[in-house]
Amino acid sequence: AQSVTQLDSQVPVFEEAPVELRCNYSSSVSVYLFWYVQYPNQGLQLLLKYLSGSTLVKGINGFEAEFNKSQTSFHLRKPSVHISDTAEYFCAVSRGTDKLIFGTGTRLQVFP
Amino acid sequence: DVKVTQSSRYLVKRTGEKVFLECVQDMDHENMFWYRQDPGLGLRLIYFSYDVKMKEKGDIPEGYSVSREKKERFSLILESASTNQTSMYLCASSLHGSNEQFFGPGTRLTVL
Repeated sequence: AQSVTQLDSQVPVFEEAPVELRCNYSSSVSVYLFWYVQYPNQGLQLLLKYLSGSTLVKGINGFEAEFNKSQTSFHLRKPSVHISDTAEYFCAVSRGTDKLIFGTGTRLQVFP
Repeated sequence: DVKVTQSSRYLVKRTGEKVFLECVQDMDHENMFWYRQDPGLGLRLIYFSYDVKMKEKGDIPEGYSVSREKKERFSLILESASTNQTSMYLCASSLHGSNEQFFGPGTRLTVL
């Protein structure tokens, strides 16, 4: 069965610093991988997705993620964060046809 | 602009009341989902519908039921609300064959 682990529940950083949010998954079959962002008091918004092809995926707002099959990871990175990136970030993996399983979330807090 | 809307942003109900949460999407998506979101637990799937009048239990269906009479509308029903159903409820939709889900803004339900 598929599962997703987000290793950090909270990540505090200063503005303009780089950040990496970690995600590991387990699956015995090919997967599709997603990162979603949830700003305060809002629903989830897709940041980026990996379906196939290049293992480096670029998303919105300057975020990127790298699919590493041997390490079963899909870590999210941004070279320089802004205050406006403060939000909760969810990693998700495909679960059969049409469904997703979500990680428990990482709260990114950016300080001035 | 594609949209998933939920009938209420905030809702307060009393224990034992019957509660209806409504979700409408305008993207002609076949699939619709109800999740609940709790701190430290991420998103957990309650029910899933892949067509009108079709439904499938998710991971935590106990205490909930759903209704999908029209393609664009998916309702979540709490037959007799309990305090442990206090949570954020998120609705999502997707095309059949796609794992990419589009989310509504969420309904924060408090059961007293």
